[in-house]
Amino acid sequence: AQSVTQLDSQVPVFEEAPVELRCNYSSSVSVYLFWYVQYPNQGLQLLLKYLSGSTLVKGINGFEAEFNKSQTSFHLRKPSVHISDTAEYFCAVSEGAGGYNKLIFGAGTRLAVHP
Amino acid sequence: GAVVSQHPSRVICKSGTSVKIECRSLDFQATTMFWYRQFPKQSLMLMATSNEGSKATYEQGVEKDKFLINHASLTLSTLTVTSAHPEDSSFYICSAREDRQLVHEQYFGPGTRLTVT
Repeated sequence: AQSVTQLDSQVPVFEEAPVELRCNYSSSVSVYLFWYVQYPNQGLQLLLKYLSGSTLVKGINGFEAEFNKSQTSFHLRKPSVHISDTAEYFCAVSEGAGGYNKLIFGAGTRLAVHP
Repeated sequence: GAVVSQHPSRVICKSGTSVKIECRSLDFQATTMFWYRQFPKQSLMLMATSNEGSKATYEQGVEKDKFLINHASLTLSTLTVTSAHPEDSSFYICSAREDRQLVHEQYFGPGTRLTVT
């Protein structure tokens, strides 16, 4: 069965510092991987996704993630964070060929950016 | 970009009553919609997959008679929480999948905060 592990429940960081949010997954078949951001009392916004091709994926708001098949990881990074990046971040995985079906989410990582 | 709306954004109801939440894809057709539930400071848990014109597929542990899902058109799915209890209080989020050629995109609604008193 698929599962997603986000290793850090909270990540505090100072403004303009780099950040990495970790995500590991388990799956027996090809996967599609996603990072979403959720601001308080709002739905989810897609940051980036990996479907195939280049393992380095660039997303919105300056975020990027690298798919590492051997380590079954899809860590999210940003070289310099802003106060506005404070939010909850979810890693998700989906299986299936030709697209994706239901998403399995990790527990989430709360990114807190301090001035 | 594709937009998904949910209505209402917040609802308060009394125990024992039913409440309906709508999920609409505004500018695309969605053969499939998903319903998630999120408890405070927790992740999203898939409740059910809603397919237009057929019965929903519920995840293990989700009571299908309590959480009624109807997907009557390609742009609308509804979730009805029947005989609501305080433990049903939660944030309910829907997503709609756009099937376009071989690329499938899933877009999330803004969520509905349900409080049962």
